[in-house]
Amino acid sequence: QSVLTQPPSASGTPGQRVTISCSGSSSNIGSDTVNWYQQLPGTAPKLLIYDDNQRPSGVPARFSGSRSGTSASLAISGLQSEDEADYYCAAWDDSLNGWVFGGGTKLTVL
Amino acid sequence: EVQLVESGGGLVQPGGSLRLSCAASGLTFSIYSMNWVRQAPGKGLEWVSGISGSGGSTYYAASVKGRFTISRDNSKKTLFLQMNNLRAADTAVYYCAKAAGTAVNTHASDYWGQGTLVTVSS
Repeated sequence: QSVLTQPPSASGTPGQRVTISCSGSSSNIGSDTVNWYQQLPGTAPKLLIYDDNQRPSGVPARFSGSRSGTSASLAISGLQSEDEADYYCAAWDDSLNGWVFGGGTKLTVL
Repeated sequence: EVQLVESGGGLVQPGGSLRLSCAASGLTFSIYSMNWVRQAPGKGLEWVSGISGSGGSTYYAASVKGRFTISRDNSKKTLFLQMNNLRAADTAVYYCAKAAGTAVNTHASDYWGQGTLVTVSS
C-alpha cells in the first residue's frame, strides 16, 4: 500500500481535460512540494512536473500541476493519444525520511 | 546530453548479494544527488535509496535499510547499490535517477536510466 493515494485508472477522449489526484498527509504533501512522473509503456519514468507546478524544458503546457493542503493534482488538457501512460506523484516524507510515491494512475485515451 | 547506464542486474538466489552500478556522463556528477528507484513486475515505483552529491548523506527506504548500501565514486562518475541478503520481494527493475540538485530531500529526479532487472529466485 502506497503512502500517497492515487486513483488506479483514469480515462478521457482526445481533446478532453482530465485530472489525476494525489492524496497524502502532513508529513509529505502537507509540508513538501510534489513531483509528477510519466511512464510510457516499456520505458523509464520521465519527470513531468516538479515543485508542484513547474514544467521541465520540453514538457508541453498542456500538463499542469497544483497542490493544496495534503493533496495535489495533475491536469492534462487537450488530451492526445500519446498521453496514454502511467502517472505517478511523489513527495519527500519528513517522517519516513525518504521519497514516497503514489501507486500510479493508468491513463487511457478512449 | 545526460546519460545514465545501469549494470549489474541478474538472477540471484535468496540470501545472495548483487552490486548494481550506474555510469553517468554528460554532467558534473559530484554536484547532484542520486537515487535508486525500483519497480517490481507489473507494480508501481518504489524509492529505494538516495545519496547527496558529496556522498556524505545517505537515505534508505525501511524495506531495504540494513541490507542495501548506496555509495558513489565521483572521480569515476559512478553510483553503486550493494544489495545483500536479497529476498524474493526485491525482484524488480532498478532505475538510477539523477536529482536536480545536491540535496536528496529537495530535488526531483530529472534524468533516469533505462533500468537493470534483478531477479531473486531459487
